[in-house]
Order: sequence, then structure tokens, then C-alpha cells
Amino acid sequence: QKEVEQDPGPLSVPEGAIVSLNCTYSNSAFQYFMWYRQYSRKGPELLMYTYSSGNKEDGRFTAQVDKSSKYISLFIRDSQPSDSATYLCAMSAYQQGAQKLVFGQGTRLTINP
Amino acid sequence: DGGITQSPKYLFRKEGQNVTLSCEQNLNHDAMYWYRQDPGQGLRLIYYSQIVNDFQKGDIAEGYSVSREKKESFPLTVTSAQKNPTAFYLCASSIVPTGELFFGEGSRLTVL
Repeated sequence: QKEVEQDPGPLSVPEGAIVSLNCTYSNSAFQYFMWYRQYSRKGPELLMYTYSSGNKEDGRFTAQVDKSSKYISLFIRDSQPSDSATYLCAMSAYQQGAQKLVFGQGTRLTINP
Repeated sequence: DGGITQSPKYLFRKEGQNVTLSCEQNLNHDAMYWYRQDPGQGLRLIYYSQIVNDFQKGDIAEGYSVSREKKESFPLTVTSAQKNPTAFYLCASSIVPTGELFFGEGSRLTVL
């Protein structure tokens, strides 16, 4: 079993829809949770960052962390064609002086005009 | 502007040749990383460095080498021992201990 599981998609939705992207994980030591957006042939850019459980909102984006269920989500409201990209979840822990960082496989999202 | 600069953006190499990818950051981050990304796949860690003059192998280090002589620089050499080097290579740096990674634009290596 992978340490972080993310549905690779592809996911295709109409413009204006609410999008839900999810990841599950198995390592309870993870404390920091991130979502990255990657456009084709570009490096990933940090979209959202959360620490421990809870919600964080930034414009049309909401990141949710449920540590008890080992489940994180990214919601995109009023989706736009410019949101079409691959979304990667990532989580990290700092243990014994070393950073442990694990990525999900990425979900390819297409928003259709 | 603070950020991570990778060069070259595109690189072609003949089989049997070594090639070095450059990565420079001016974010004053201690940790730096190299990832490989293949089509339809996630990121795989090649090497990482948490401090100058120290680095560790990641999950797929065979056929690669790195150095960390300066805080700002973390070059990656793809050697002729790497069996399947054609890929998209990403360099990143991070804040310790939170692990927020900041990526460069990537270098696409094609072996002819």
C-alpha cells in the first residue's frame, strides 16, 4: 500500500462546477499538508498549505484536513478553464532531524467552457 | 524576485554522455531536492540535501550524482549509468521543518 493515495483521474467537469480532489494517507506522523497545481510542462506551484486538522480558505480554494480519518481534500468553487491542471497533494513530517515528504500521484483536472 | 532557476530548460544528449542540470535558489532555504517526473506519473525523489556539503539518496538515486558546495546551488549530473534518463527533472527547495516545497520550472532531458 502506498503511503499517500490520490485518484489520478482524469477528472472533467463543466465550468462553474464545484470540484473536490482528495488524498488519503497511512502515516499518522504527517503534520503538514500541501496542495500543488502543475500546468503542462511547468514546475508545480504551491497552492495551499495547512498545518494539522482543519479548514483553510483562499479565494475559490478550500483545503480540508481530517487527521482522524487520514484524509485531505481540496475544493475549488466556481471552477474556471484556467484551473485545468494536474493537482498534487503532499504531506510532510519532521522526524529525527530529517524531513519526510511524500507526494500523491496527482489528479489531472479539465474544466470545460 | 526570489525563486529557483533551473537550466537548461531543454537538453538533448547522446547515449553514453554525462549531462549536468543546474539549479540555483535565492530563497535562503537550507534544503534542496531533485525530483524526476515521467508522463502520467508522480514525482520521484532522486537526491536531497538538508545542509551544505551533505546530501542523501532518494528513492531512485542510481545513475545520478549531486554536489552541494554552496547553499544556493544543487547541480544534478545524469550519468551514462542511468538506464532511462529521458524525463522531466524538477529542482526544489524548502523551508525546514514545515516542508513547503518551492519548485523550479523544470529541465526536460531527451536522450537520442
